[in-house]
Amino acid sequence: GAVVSQHPSRVICKSGTSVKIECRSLDFQATTMFWYRQFPKKSLMLMATSNEGSKATYEQGVEKDKFLINHASLTLSTLTVTSAHPEDSSFYICSAQWGQNYGYTFGSGTRLTVV
Amino acid sequence: QKEVEQNSGPLSVPEGAIASLNCTYSDRVSQSFFWYRQYSGKSPELIMSIYSNGDKEDGRFTAQLNKASQYVSLLIRDSQPSDSATYLCAVNMVPPGGKLIFGQGTELSVKP
Repeated sequence: GAVVSQHPSRVICKSGTSVKIECRSLDFQATTMFWYRQFPKKSLMLMATSNEGSKATYEQGVEKDKFLINHASLTLSTLTVTSAHPEDSSFYICSAQWGQNYGYTFGSGTRLTVV
Repeated sequence: QKEVEQNSGPLSVPEGAIASLNCTYSDRVSQSFFWYRQYSGKSPELIMSIYSNGDKEDGRFTAQLNKASQYVSLLIRDSQPSDSATYLCAVNMVPPGGKLIFGQGTELSVKP
């Protein structure tokens, strides 16, 4: 089956620093990837749609200058949280669809803690 | 109105019983529907996908879709304690391959 690898699984950073999260499709090409964030006991909130070779599409209310998305190849998308603050602490998950009628497969998630 | 709505629960059922999870969606032209299971601290894992009206069975799981009522459900037969998790309903917004929108999730607890 399709596998999406996400790294790091856990990161703690100081307030004001930037953090990069990587998402790789291991056995398929993903022209589109999706980035979600999830707060404790809440559902997944779509942040943006990452398109290979073009600019990401951000959901309403998501700051594109704060959450930088780069999708430079068919197998790699990155999310950079810039100038992180404690309120950015969350569980970030990437996802990709691996076929027209298949489900979306998810990365293992990144637990970000900003101190 | 939220795009995808679920009862947040918690839903508690005894071991061996049938657990019934429900979901409604607002976009009438949605075409693909998914049920994911998420354990605490983990990312979602796909349980079922359904694309046409009716029932789809896979082992102990049955997904039901009624597009006219904009309703999708998941039945879990012979519930086990290991089924205790949050179940997320997700709807693929048009076009196919477009963004997946999640409901708020239903927490299921199966008591031994």
